[in-house]
Amino acid sequence: EDKVVQSPLSLVVHEGDTVTLNCSYEVTNFRSLLWYKQEKKAPTFLFMLTSSGIEKKSGRLSSILDKKELFSILNITATQTGDSAIYLCAVEFRSGNQFYFGTGTSLTVIP
Amino acid sequence: ETGVTQSPTHLIKTRGQQVTLRCSSQSGHNTVSWYQQALGQGPQFIFQYYREEENGRGNFPPRFSGLQFPNYSSELNVNALELDDSALYLCASSLPSGRAETQYFGPGTRLLVL
Repeated sequence: EDKVVQSPLSLVVHEGDTVTLNCSYEVTNFRSLLWYKQEKKAPTFLFMLTSSGIEKKSGRLSSILDKKELFSILNITATQTGDSAIYLCAVEFRSGNQFYFGTGTSLTVIP
Repeated sequence: ETGVTQSPTHLIKTRGQQVTLRCSSQSGHNTVSWYQQALGQGPQFIFQYYREEENGRGNFPPRFSGLQFPNYSSELNVNALELDDSALYLCASSLPSGRAETQYFGPGTRLLVL
């Protein structure tokens, strides 16, 4: 059975800390892995990863994919209170943007 | 904010009733996907519509059905509501051949079944 597992489920850190969020997957017909940030309702896109070992970066956020070991990590450095959100990992299992999502990691950044 | 809109924003129903949720897609997007997100869970894929036809379905019973209209807007219908149907329902629009990062989510409809 296809699955996407995220860890930890929740995390509380202080501003300035660095966090690493994990996503492992077992999905047949893997096409891509995406990270989303969900603050209130609509998930917003962060990264799309298709190739192993190539780091994607956007400001303080970065992500990398390991297709051999079937996992991805999302790093956030120098966290800010505005980073508080649920971070979702999604694996595209069929062409045309059809995804399996993990349960998400709830990140709380304390001032 | 994306150009994807959903209505209503909130809805309360009782068990056994039927509900229709609506989604207007981003301009130019002809594919709409629906997801159910229960509290504390990630979104679960319900189905996808492309050019008014169902183009993939997740593990949901037939009482979950949908429509897509010529203007690419979409409806999600749920019959015989159950308590476990209480969730945030998200729609996402995209181009079928578009890269995944161009899929945009709407703000969702929060459904409570009593």
